Amino acid sequence: ETGVTQSPTHLIKTRGQQVTLRCSSQSGHNTVSWYQQALGQGPQFIFQYYREEENGRGNFPPRFSGLQFPNYSSELNVNALELDDSALYLCASSDPQGETQYFGPGTRLLVL
Amino acid sequence: QKEVEQDPGPLSVPEGAIVSLNCTYSNSAFQYFMWYRQYSRKGPELLMYTYSSGNKEDGRFTAQVDKSSKYISLFIRDSQPSDSATYLCAIAINTGNQFYFGTGTSLTVIP
Repeated sequence: ETGVTQSPTHLIKTRGQQVTLRCSSQSGHNTVSWYQQALGQGPQFIFQYYREEENGRGNFPPRFSGLQFPNYSSELNVNALELDDSALYLCASSDPQGETQYFGPGTRLLVL
Repeated sequence: QKEVEQDPGPLSVPEGAIVSLNCTYSNSAFQYFMWYRQYSRKGPELLMYTYSSGNKEDGRFTAQVDKSSKYISLFIRDSQPSDSATYLCAIAINTGNQFYFGTGTSLTVIP
């Protein structure tokens, strides 16, 4: 059984650019959640996808958007990057009948 | 007001000590309570999860939930230097929905 994987591991962008982060969920999991973790803080919920549909959203602006594919992998897109978007972006997968969410290693984004 | 509050520490203990990590929450609707361990620059790793009130033990780790006080704890017995990490509590109404995380407590176990 493979765990949650994310790519890339690190990314440097400049303010105003766009970025796409990718996540492959754990085998058998059809729900993917994305979190943003700023330095020294706990993860903050961005949104969740279940069977390719958005299934809940946190307090993030519309320039944060996502997709889930038929194989349950997912993308997080951020447009018009701001300096405060610099953070560790975490993907977590779960099965609705499962016990909890399992996290990937994260993508560290730096916006200059 | 945050959904869950956690003392950020840092906490420094000698090897072999018993460690107590705590979180409080405000909404009685929360039913699921998790503890994650996060090493520097890595993703959170699930340690324990508990449904509703009670205790759960796994090796040197014990998770405790007191829903009447809205208080959750993680105890680490015989702490080891490899336990040095940030510990995050998380709560949820349903495990299929969003998790609310504490800010994390940084723990250092000194050999």
